[in-house]
Amino acid sequence: KNEVEQSPQNLTAQEGEFITINCSYSVGISALHWLQQHPGGGIVSLFMLSSGKKKHGRLIATINIQEKHSSLHITASHPRDSAVYICAVLGTSGSRLTFGEGTQLTVNP
Amino acid sequence: GAGVSQSPRYKVAKRGQDVALRCDPISGHVSLFWYQQALGQGPEFLTYFQNEAQLDKSGLPSDRFFAERPEGSVSTLKIQRTQQEDSAVYLCASSLPPWTGDTYNEQFFGPGTRLTVL
Repeated sequence: KNEVEQSPQNLTAQEGEFITINCSYSVGISALHWLQQHPGGGIVSLFMLSSGKKKHGRLIATINIQEKHSSLHITASHPRDSAVYICAVLGTSGSRLTFGEGTQLTVNP
Repeated sequence: GAGVSQSPRYKVAKRGQDVALRCDPISGHVSLFWYQQALGQGPEFLTYFQNEAQLDKSGLPSDRFFAERPEGSVSTLKIQRTQQEDSAVYLCASSLPPWTGDTYNEQFFGPGTRLTVL
């Protein structure tokens, strides 16, 4: 069992739909990243959070430390949101990130 | 300002060849990380430098993999006697020191080098 698990692995949505991607982890963490990866490999950090909720534009990230679970929500999805979304956790011991396998999101017009 | 850059962006090697992948971190970033990302998978940690010191190399998959950062800036990941299973995207990331007080400093990723071993 991976330390970080994401669901779903693949997600197809119609433009305008509300999207949720989930991340569960089994280890103690200091922080959790949500990252976006477009074709070609470039990774961009969307959020880094250790408690509660953060919002940036149409993106919302929440984390429940007790349940070891985080969600990434996209409101009013758009085709340009199509990408791989990756959850990564920072362990309590230092600087090493452990990544989930990613969720491939496709938003159709 | 310039982000993290990596070169080459694409590398094709014949099995058994040695390859060297370069990472130029953001200026002033003392921490540098290498990750390996197989097709359809999330990245996996390879190694971590703080300045020129390699503090963690526990993710290197074999002794064919070697990384260095001699002057605490540019880093090179070298793979000797490449094998087909080494085919992956190799990502570099840099950051300020991982922690500043209670604040975690996020990592900034380069575009990656896609290595294909034939």
